[in-house]
Amino acid sequence: KQEVTQIPAALSVPEGENLVLNCSFTDSAIYNLQWFRQDPGKGLTSLLLIQSSQREQTSGRLNASLDKSSGRSTLYIAASQPGDSATYLCAVPTSTDSWGKLQFGAGTQVVVTP
Amino acid sequence: NAGVTQTPKFQVLKTGQSMTLQCAQDMNHNSMYWYRQDPGMGLRLIYYSASEGTTDKGEVPNGYNVSRLNKREFSLRLESAAPSQTSVYFCASREGQGNVFKHFGDGTRLSIL
Repeated sequence: KQEVTQIPAALSVPEGENLVLNCSFTDSAIYNLQWFRQDPGKGLTSLLLIQSSQREQTSGRLNASLDKSSGRSTLYIAASQPGDSATYLCAVPTSTDSWGKLQFGAGTQVVVTP
Repeated sequence: NAGVTQTPKFQVLKTGQSMTLQCAQDMNHNSMYWYRQDPGMGLRLIYYSASEGTTDKGEVPNGYNVSRLNKREFSLRLESAAPSQTSVYFCASREGQGNVFKHFGDGTRLSIL
């Protein structure tokens, strides 16, 4: 069974520092990997999707890398801002099908202090 | 605004009571999903509907039933609520197989006493 781990569970950084968030998965046979942001009391917002054939995906200050062989993805957020404070989750489809049976990590709660 | 709408946003139940969580999307998506989120854990799939007229179990289906009423609506029912079902429930939709998940509702926060 696919297992997804995110370490650390929480992270606090001063404004302006770069954020590095980690996501590990046990089964490298993934179709893609998706990063989400969750604000308190809200649903999930999709940030980036990396296909299994890609090594990297960028959107603005966000950059996500994928290394299937080592079972790892990293989300980089450059020059963090207080507005980046949220919980960040990664998710991969289960290895058996792609009908949306996403396996989520527990998330990393990020606080960016002014 | 287009999106996924969940009702109610909050609910408190007593053990043994029943209730239905409602979810509707106005994007003409084929697939709809119910997830639950517990503290310190990621979202776990309860049930999903790949298309109108079909439903399938996810990772944690016990104690729940679902109905895909039409293409827009996908409801989740707790027949006899238990304290272990205290959670935040999220509904999601997407266009089809393999596509990115972009649309989640804001969640229903359910407490069972």
